[in-house]
Amino acid sequence: QKEVEQNSGPLSVPEGAIASLNCTYSDRGSQSFFWYRQYSGKSPELIMSIYSNGDKEDGRFTAQLNKASQYVSLLIRDSQPSDSATYLCAGPFPYSGGSNYKLTFGKGTLLTVNP
Amino acid sequence: DTGVSQNPRHKITKRGQNVTFRCDPISEHNRLYWYRQTLGQGPEFLTYFQNEAQLEKSRLLSDRFSAERPKGSFSTLEIQRTEQGDSAMYLCASSPTLGTVPHYEQYFGPGTRLTVT
Repeated sequence: QKEVEQNSGPLSVPEGAIASLNCTYSDRGSQSFFWYRQYSGKSPELIMSIYSNGDKEDGRFTAQLNKASQYVSLLIRDSQPSDSATYLCAGPFPYSGGSNYKLTFGKGTLLTVNP
Repeated sequence: DTGVSQNPRHKITKRGQNVTFRCDPISEHNRLYWYRQTLGQGPEFLTYFQNEAQLEKSRLLSDRFSAERPKGSFSTLEIQRTEQGDSAMYLCASSPTLGTVPHYEQYFGPGTRLTVT
Protein backbone atom coordinates (compact mmCIF):
# COMPACT_ATOMS: atom_id res chain seq x y z
CA GLN A 1 0.00 0.00 0.00
CA LYS A 2 1.30 3.39 -0.95
CA GLU A 3 1.87 5.70 1.97
CA VAL A 4 0.03 8.66 0.47
CA GLU A 5 -2.85 8.41 -1.95
CA GLN A 6 -4.56 11.28 -3.71
CA ASN A 7 -7.96 11.10 -5.30
CA SER A 8 -7.73 10.71 -9.03
CA GLY A 9 -8.00 13.78 -11.18
CA PRO A 10 -8.18 15.83 -13.08
CA LEU A 11 -10.55 18.21 -11.33
CA SER A 12 -12.25 21.02 -13.19
CA VAL A 13 -14.21 23.78 -11.45
CA PRO A 14 -15.66 27.10 -12.62
CA GLU A 15 -14.13 30.34 -11.45
CA GLY A 16 -15.44 31.34 -8.04
CA ALA A 17 -16.33 27.80 -7.00
CA ILE A 18 -14.82 25.76 -4.16
CA ALA A 19 -12.23 23.20 -5.21
CA SER A 20 -11.84 20.19 -2.91
CA LEU A 21 -8.69 18.09 -3.01
CA ASN A 22 -8.27 14.95 -0.94
CA CYS A 23 -5.54 12.69 0.29
CA THR A 24 -5.36 9.56 2.45
CA TYR A 25 -2.32 8.15 4.21
CA SER A 26 -1.31 4.83 5.68
CA ASP A 27 0.83 5.68 8.71
CA ARG A 28 -1.19 6.48 11.82
CA GLY A 29 1.92 7.91 13.40
CA SER A 30 2.17 10.75 10.93
CA GLN A 31 1.87 14.07 12.70
CA SER A 32 1.85 16.61 9.93
CA PHE A 33 1.04 17.10 6.29
CA PHE A 34 1.81 19.55 3.57
CA TRP A 35 0.15 20.75 0.44
CA TYR A 36 2.34 21.84 -2.44
CA ARG A 37 1.25 23.57 -5.60
CA GLN A 38 3.14 22.81 -8.79
CA TYR A 39 2.63 24.73 -11.98
CA SER A 40 3.46 22.96 -15.20
CA GLY A 41 7.23 22.78 -15.69
CA LYS A 42 7.95 24.32 -12.29
CA SER A 43 8.98 22.92 -8.92
CA PRO A 44 6.63 22.31 -5.98
CA GLU A 45 5.77 25.33 -3.87
CA LEU A 46 4.67 24.89 -0.26
CA ILE A 47 1.26 26.47 0.28
CA MET A 48 -0.11 24.89 3.47
CA SER A 49 1.19 22.97 6.46
CA ILE A 50 -1.06 21.30 9.01
CA TYR A 51 0.21 19.78 12.23
CA SER A 52 -2.88 18.96 14.28
CA ASN A 53 -6.37 17.60 13.89
CA GLY A 54 -8.92 20.01 12.57
CA ASP A 55 -8.85 22.90 10.17
CA LYS A 56 -6.24 25.47 9.32
CA GLU A 57 -7.17 28.46 7.24
CA ASP A 58 -4.87 30.74 5.27
CA GLY A 59 -6.61 33.18 2.99
CA ARG A 60 -8.64 31.25 0.42
CA PHE A 61 -7.05 27.96 1.45
CA THR A 62 -8.24 25.63 4.20
CA ALA A 63 -6.42 22.44 5.10
CA GLN A 64 -8.23 19.78 7.10
CA LEU A 65 -6.60 16.90 8.93
CA ASN A 66 -8.54 13.95 10.36
CA LYS A 67 -6.10 11.60 12.03
CA ALA A 68 -8.75 9.07 13.00
CA SER A 69 -9.73 8.62 9.37
CA GLN A 70 -6.16 9.17 8.10
CA TYR A 71 -7.46 11.79 5.75
CA VAL A 72 -6.25 15.24 4.77
CA SER A 73 -7.88 17.69 2.43
CA LEU A 74 -7.39 21.11 0.88
CA LEU A 75 -10.24 23.44 0.07
CA ILE A 76 -9.72 26.38 -2.22
CA ARG A 77 -12.49 28.95 -1.97
CA ASP A 78 -13.30 31.44 -4.71
CA SER A 79 -11.13 29.52 -7.16
CA GLN A 80 -9.24 31.60 -9.67
CA PRO A 81 -7.78 30.61 -13.05
CA SER A 82 -4.35 31.26 -11.49
CA ASP A 83 -5.04 28.36 -9.11
CA SER A 84 -4.87 25.97 -12.07
CA ALA A 85 -1.99 23.66 -11.19
CA THR A 86 -1.17 20.24 -9.82
CA TYR A 87 -1.65 19.97 -6.06
CA LEU A 88 0.57 17.53 -4.22
CA CYS A 89 -0.14 16.12 -0.78
CA ALA A 90 2.92 15.09 1.24
CA GLY A 91 3.64 13.64 4.63
CA PRO A 92 6.93 13.30 6.46
CA PHE A 93 7.48 9.66 7.25
CA PRO A 94 10.47 8.52 9.25
CA TYR A 95 12.89 6.83 6.90
CA SER A 96 14.25 3.56 8.19
CA GLY A 97 13.21 4.56 11.67
CA GLY A 98 15.73 7.33 11.78
CA SER A 99 15.46 11.05 12.16
CA ASN A 100 15.15 11.73 8.49
CA TYR A 101 11.68 12.93 7.72
CA LYS A 102 11.64 12.51 4.00
CA LEU A 103 8.49 13.67 2.32
CA THR A 104 6.35 11.05 0.67
CA PHE A 105 4.17 12.56 -2.02
CA GLY A 106 0.96 11.53 -3.64
CA LYS A 107 0.79 11.57 -7.43
CA GLY A 108 -0.95 14.91 -7.36
CA THR A 109 -4.29 16.18 -8.57
CA LEU A 110 -4.47 18.45 -11.60
CA LEU A 111 -6.88 21.31 -10.96
CA THR A 112 -8.24 23.45 -13.77
CA VAL A 113 -10.24 26.55 -12.93
CA ASN A 114 -12.31 27.66 -15.91
CA PRO A 115 -13.00 31.38 -16.37
CA ASP B 1 16.50 34.45 2.53
CA THR B 2 17.15 33.96 -1.16
CA GLY B 3 15.59 30.52 -1.52
CA VAL B 4 17.03 27.25 -2.76
CA SER B 5 18.96 27.53 -6.00
CA GLN B 6 19.93 24.80 -8.43
CA ASN B 7 22.24 24.69 -11.40
CA PRO B 8 22.01 24.01 -14.22
CA ARG B 9 18.30 24.40 -14.83
CA HIS B 10 18.40 22.19 -17.89
CA LYS B 11 20.85 19.53 -18.99
CA ILE B 12 20.80 17.49 -22.17
CA THR B 13 23.33 14.70 -22.33
CA LYS B 14 24.03 11.60 -24.33
CA ARG B 15 23.63 8.18 -22.85
CA GLY B 16 26.75 7.05 -21.10
CA GLN B 17 27.97 10.53 -20.16
CA ASN B 18 28.40 11.74 -16.58
CA VAL B 19 26.47 14.75 -15.26
CA THR B 20 26.70 16.77 -12.06
CA PHE B 21 24.07 19.03 -10.54
CA ARG B 22 24.50 21.60 -7.82
CA CYS B 23 22.13 22.73 -5.08
CA ASP B 24 22.54 25.72 -2.77
CA PRO B 25 20.07 25.49 0.12
CA ILE B 26 18.50 28.32 2.05
CA SER B 27 21.19 29.71 4.32
CA GLU B 28 21.06 28.32 7.86
CA HIS B 29 19.09 25.27 6.74
CA ASN B 30 21.17 22.31 7.82
CA ARG B 31 18.96 19.65 6.21
CA LEU B 32 19.15 19.04 2.48
CA TYR B 33 17.17 16.56 0.40
CA TRP B 34 17.36 15.37 -3.20
CA TYR B 35 14.24 14.13 -4.99
CA ARG B 36 13.51 12.96 -8.49
CA GLN B 37 10.26 13.61 -10.32
CA THR B 38 9.02 12.05 -13.53
CA LEU B 39 6.00 13.09 -15.53
CA GLY B 40 2.71 12.41 -13.79
CA GLN B 41 4.32 11.42 -10.49
CA GLY B 42 5.04 13.16 -7.25
CA PRO B 43 8.67 13.71 -6.26
CA GLU B 44 10.47 10.62 -4.97
CA PHE B 45 13.08 10.80 -2.25
CA LEU B 46 16.67 10.05 -3.25
CA THR B 47 18.94 11.08 -0.42
CA TYR B 48 19.25 13.29 2.65
CA PHE B 49 22.02 15.26 4.34
CA GLN B 50 22.17 16.71 7.79
CA ASN B 51 25.03 19.18 7.65
CA GLU B 52 27.79 17.35 5.74
CA ALA B 53 26.66 13.84 6.70
CA GLN B 54 24.69 11.80 4.20
CA LEU B 55 22.32 10.00 6.54
CA GLU B 56 19.90 8.26 4.24
CA LYS B 57 19.81 6.92 0.70
CA SER B 58 16.82 5.54 -1.10
CA ARG B 59 16.87 2.14 -2.74
CA LEU B 60 16.12 4.12 -5.92
CA LEU B 61 19.64 5.49 -5.78
CA SER B 62 21.74 3.08 -7.80
CA ASP B 63 25.52 2.87 -7.60
CA ARG B 64 25.71 5.26 -10.54
CA PHE B 65 24.38 8.05 -8.34
CA SER B 66 26.51 9.82 -5.77
CA ALA B 67 25.84 12.89 -3.71
CA GLU B 68 28.05 15.05 -1.55
CA ARG B 69 27.74 18.02 0.73
CA PRO B 70 31.38 18.63 1.62
CA LYS B 71 31.13 21.62 3.93
CA GLY B 72 27.53 21.35 4.98
CA SER B 73 26.52 24.10 2.60
CA PHE B 74 25.96 23.36 -1.09
CA SER B 75 25.45 19.83 -2.38
CA THR B 76 26.22 18.05 -5.64
CA LEU B 77 24.47 15.10 -7.23
CA GLU B 78 26.44 13.17 -9.83
CA ILE B 79 25.06 10.57 -12.20
CA GLN B 80 27.62 8.39 -13.93
CA ARG B 81 27.01 6.55 -17.20
CA THR B 82 23.61 8.12 -17.68
CA GLU B 83 20.75 6.06 -19.04
CA GLN B 84 17.57 7.18 -20.76
CA GLY B 85 15.64 6.17 -17.66
CA ASP B 86 17.50 8.84 -15.72
CA SER B 87 15.61 11.54 -17.62
CA ALA B 88 13.63 13.41 -14.98
CA MET B 89 13.44 16.59 -12.95
CA TYR B 90 15.95 16.51 -10.10
CA LEU B 91 14.77 18.57 -7.17
CA CYS B 92 16.64 19.79 -4.14
CA ALA B 93 14.92 20.87 -0.95
CA SER B 94 16.11 22.22 2.36
CA SER B 95 14.56 22.47 5.79
CA PRO B 96 15.39 24.26 9.01
CA THR B 97 17.46 22.90 11.84
CA LEU B 98 15.76 20.33 14.04
CA GLY B 99 14.47 22.09 17.08
CA THR B 100 13.08 25.06 15.23
CA VAL B 101 9.46 25.01 14.28
CA PRO B 102 8.33 23.98 11.82
CA HIS B 103 11.31 21.79 11.09
CA TYR B 104 9.49 19.40 8.83
CA GLU B 105 8.74 21.97 6.18
CA GLN B 106 10.83 21.55 3.06
CA TYR B 107 11.39 24.24 0.48
CA PHE B 108 12.21 23.24 -3.05
CA GLY B 109 14.56 24.76 -5.55
CA PRO B 110 13.60 25.27 -9.21
CA GLY B 111 14.96 21.86 -10.18
CA THR B 112 17.29 20.59 -12.88
CA ARG B 113 15.59 18.98 -15.83
CA LEU B 114 17.76 16.20 -17.25
CA THR B 115 17.21 14.77 -20.70
CA VAL B 116 19.29 11.75 -21.71
CA THR B 117 19.31 11.12 -25.44
